[in-house]
Amino acid sequence: DSGVTQTPKHLITATGQRVTLRCSPRSGDLSVYWYQQSLDQGLQFLIQYYNGEERAKGNILERFSAQQFPDLHSELNLSSLELGDSALYFCASSVGRGQLYGYTFGSGTRLTVV
Amino acid sequence: KNEVEQSPQNLTAQEGEFITINCSYSVGISALHWLQQHPGGGIVSLFMLSSGKKKHGRLIATINIQEKHSSLHITASHPRDSAVYICAVGGNRDDKIIFGKGTRLHILP
Repeated sequence: DSGVTQTPKHLITATGQRVTLRCSPRSGDLSVYWYQQSLDQGLQFLIQYYNGEERAKGNILERFSAQQFPDLHSELNLSSLELGDSALYFCASSVGRGQLYGYTFGSGTRLTVV
Repeated sequence: KNEVEQSPQNLTAQEGEFITINCSYSVGISALHWLQQHPGGGIVSLFMLSSGKKKHGRLIATINIQEKHSSLHITASHPRDSAVYICAVGGNRDDKIIFGKGTRLHILP
């Protein structure tokens, strides 16, 4: 157990639907990162939050949104789902907000859009 | 050209061999990370480097900031080292992270 908890582990949903992925960071970590890993694109950075505020944004689609709550857990919302959104979604946490901190990864949520 | 290039893409070696995986990048960075992803999908952060060299057990990571190059070495490789090794860089202008496409390592017993 890495200390970073992601739920659910697996999710199957239909095109056009909306889903919410949840991440609880390791105790004491203030930053939460979201990543998408698809077979053809590899790992891609989506977004980072630090202590409730958006810190950096990567290749996140407008149909996707995220937030970090006062208790530091984060949610990634994916809407109007398309077949191409099928992927592994990872969350990671770190203690700081910059790049000079190591990451701890969750075990991921496997999303399948049918 | 990708901003982070890894080589080789695939590597098969015999148990006990010395393994080197390379990562070159074209952007200014504040840190470089080496990650390990096992067949089950879980990702483990191995190293975070901003300069020099780090060692953890049989793993050694080095970075040359001037040449924009990093290497991950595995000594006395073992079948349990079989995994995908991913290089990732954090830019020095923002906190965005760019990933390499990974090196798939297979160690034969």
